[in-house]
Amino acid sequence: GAGVSQSPSNKVTEKGKDVELRCDPISGHTALYWYRQSLGQGLEFLIYFQGNSAPDKSGLPSDRFSAERTGGSVSTLTIQRTQQEDSAVYLCASSTDRGYNEQFFGPGTRLTVL
Amino acid sequence: AQSVSQHNHHVILSEAASLELGCNYSYGGTVNLFWYVQYPGQHLQLLLKYFSGDPLVKGIKGFEAEFIKSKFSFNLRKPSVQWSDTAEYFCAVNARYSSASKIIFGSGTRLSIRP
Repeated sequence: GAGVSQSPSNKVTEKGKDVELRCDPISGHTALYWYRQSLGQGLEFLIYFQGNSAPDKSGLPSDRFSAERTGGSVSTLTIQRTQQEDSAVYLCASSTDRGYNEQFFGPGTRLTVL
Repeated sequence: AQSVSQHNHHVILSEAASLELGCNYSYGGTVNLFWYVQYPGQHLQLLLKYFSGDPLVKGIKGFEAEFIKSKFSFNLRKPSVQWSDTAEYFCAVNARYSSASKIIFGSGTRLSIRP
């Protein structure tokens, strides 16, 4: 079956521009996560959606970052006024139930801010 | 809040050597524990997980991990590594029974195997 998909796979943008990254989770998965993976920094938690509950936004690094999940399925991560330090691979993962089950990861979006 | 520490950032071994990657977590309650692996150019995938029961957990490709509650540890082991085990390994923890508990990852350990 289809796994988690993310688009675009690569995004190059200029400093100061806004970008939108998309995640399509596995159908039926109620939990959805966004992470940022920078070279040598491991996986940095950004935001977590679980069903209809209010999202856990505690990992968002600044108010330039926001995310939404429409209809409990597709999620969009938006970065406004991008900075060079935003350059990283942005990973999305989904899982069933309360999120303590196995997470299935997408291929990521590599963001480069010039 | 929970946190995860992986103290080995880069481990280099020869084929057939034994492997142990350290993972310590910080959380006072009951936890679920995971090891994920990211092979070069591939997605992150689950290697093994511990929820309850036998603290010695066996995963794919001959890996195992032991949960030692008193040490807040969940170290990953493999008796004899292969060149194909070259990858980055991430330990993760989740607080069980928390109403909206996220999964937190460690910073990862890069494993390089010399053929």
